[in-house]
Amino acid sequence: DQQVKQNSPSLSVQEGRISILNCDYTNSMFDYFLWYKKYPAEGPTFLISISSIKDKNEDGRFTVFLNKSAKHLSLHIVPSQPGDSAVYFCAASRLNTGNQFYFGTGTSLTVIP
Amino acid sequence: GAVVSQHPSWVICKSGTSVKIECRSLDFQATTMFWYRQFPKQSLMLMATSNEGSKATYEQGVEKDKFLINHASLTLSTLTVTSAHPEDSSFYICSVPQGSGELFFGEGSRLTVL
Repeated sequence: DQQVKQNSPSLSVQEGRISILNCDYTNSMFDYFLWYKKYPAEGPTFLISISSIKDKNEDGRFTVFLNKSAKHLSLHIVPSQPGDSAVYFCAASRLNTGNQFYFGTGTSLTVIP
Repeated sequence: GAVVSQHPSWVICKSGTSVKIECRSLDFQATTMFWYRQFPKQSLMLMATSNEGSKATYEQGVEKDKFLINHASLTLSTLTVTSAHPEDSSFYICSVPQGSGELFFGEGSRLTVL
């Protein structure tokens, strides 16, 4: 049973525009969420996180929004750059379960120059 | 610099042989490490939780006799794929949790079984 879902397997955006990646989860006990970026043949690298006590966290061009009632989070990248082209995974966890994270299936973002 | 290092990054082996993959925590001690497997175009699948000084905890459906995990020290966990077969070919990734709740990932190890 997939507890974290990314329903869009791919997304193409023009350079300079906004990229919006979406993620839904089913377990209302999740209280910590992360976004990871992954290039082919490499391990994921941490991008940005948000805990359930917040509804927004911003870091430079990256902003994560959390809607707990809808069990939905999104990652906004503004402005998008070609170097942002990668697969993005969202992950969710209950912090008191020893940092076991459940990952979505990923969204492949292509930023067109 | 890298916080978690995996070795080897790519290994090719014959069917029936065993392959060992190392995961090292470079900057901090880790009593827990996680091992994931990723198939092409699929999500990271948690295989097992490696516990320093005790047995690993395996996820449902993961054969513990096939995927041997040893967490011998606070900085090293190893995953041994025993009697590897072509269907074991995959990208194996380890991660190390920090107290902040963040996970640091290794670079991944690509296994190809001929």
